[in-house]
Amino acid sequence: AQSVTQLDSHVSVSEGTPVLLRCNYSSSYSPSLFWYVQHPNKGLQLLLKYTSAATLVKGINGFEAEFKKSETSFHLTKPSAHMSDAAEYFCVVRTYSSASKIIFGSGTRLSIRP
Amino acid sequence: DVKVTQSSRYLVKRTGEKVFLECVQDMDHENMFWYRQDPGLGLRLIYFSYDVKMKEKGDIPEGYSVSREKKERFSLILESASTNQTSMYLCASSPRGRGSDSPLHFGNGTRLTVT
Repeated sequence: AQSVTQLDSHVSVSEGTPVLLRCNYSSSYSPSLFWYVQHPNKGLQLLLKYTSAATLVKGINGFEAEFKKSETSFHLTKPSAHMSDAAEYFCVVRTYSSASKIIFGSGTRLSIRP
Repeated sequence: DVKVTQSSRYLVKRTGEKVFLECVQDMDHENMFWYRQDPGLGLRLIYFSYDVKMKEKGDIPEGYSVSREKKERFSLILESASTNQTSMYLCASSPRGRGSDSPLHFGNGTRLTVT
C-alpha cells in the first residue's frame, strides 16, 4: 500500500531564512516522488521530481529535496525564503502499480514573514 | 512546455443544471485526469482516461461523467449540478505508462459554485 504524510500543515518562516517542508512516504514498490506548489486559485505546478537517479534533486525557484530510503523521507528545502514562496506545497507519490494511483499529501501551507 | 487549459476559471451554476467543464492539453498525452479539491479533503480523483474513449472511475465518480472523443480534450460533465459539487476542479495530463515516473501537468483549475 502507498501513503504519503506531510508532517506539518502550516510552516511559517522569516524572509531570508531556510525552509524545510517534511514528507514521509510508504510504498510497496520503488516510488517516484514529486513536490508541487499551488498558489491561491491556481493549479499545481511541478517543483521537482525523484525517479531513482540522484537522491538529491534540484528543482525550480531554488528548491531541492533529498530522497532518503532508510528514513522513507523526501523533505523539501530552500536555503533562503522569498515572499513569493508563500503558497501550498504538496508531496506526491506515484508507483508502477497503476497509472492512475497517485497519492497526494494533505499539503503544507508555507507563510513568509517580512 | 506542456500546456493544460481549462476553459473557465470561474463558473456559477444553478442546482439541477447540466454543467460541462472542458480541458485541453497540447502535448499529445495519453493520460488525462479530473480531480476536485476541497479544504480539508485534499485532491480526490473523479475520473481518469488513458486513451480516446477509455475511462476509469476514480475515488468519487458519483454525480459525474466524462467524455474523451479526441486525445487532447477531456470533458467533465455534471449531469445535474448540486450544491455539494461546489468545488475547485483540476484537470491534469501525463504521458502513457503504468505508474510511470512522468509527473502530472495541471491546468489552472475551474472554481465552480452551484447555488
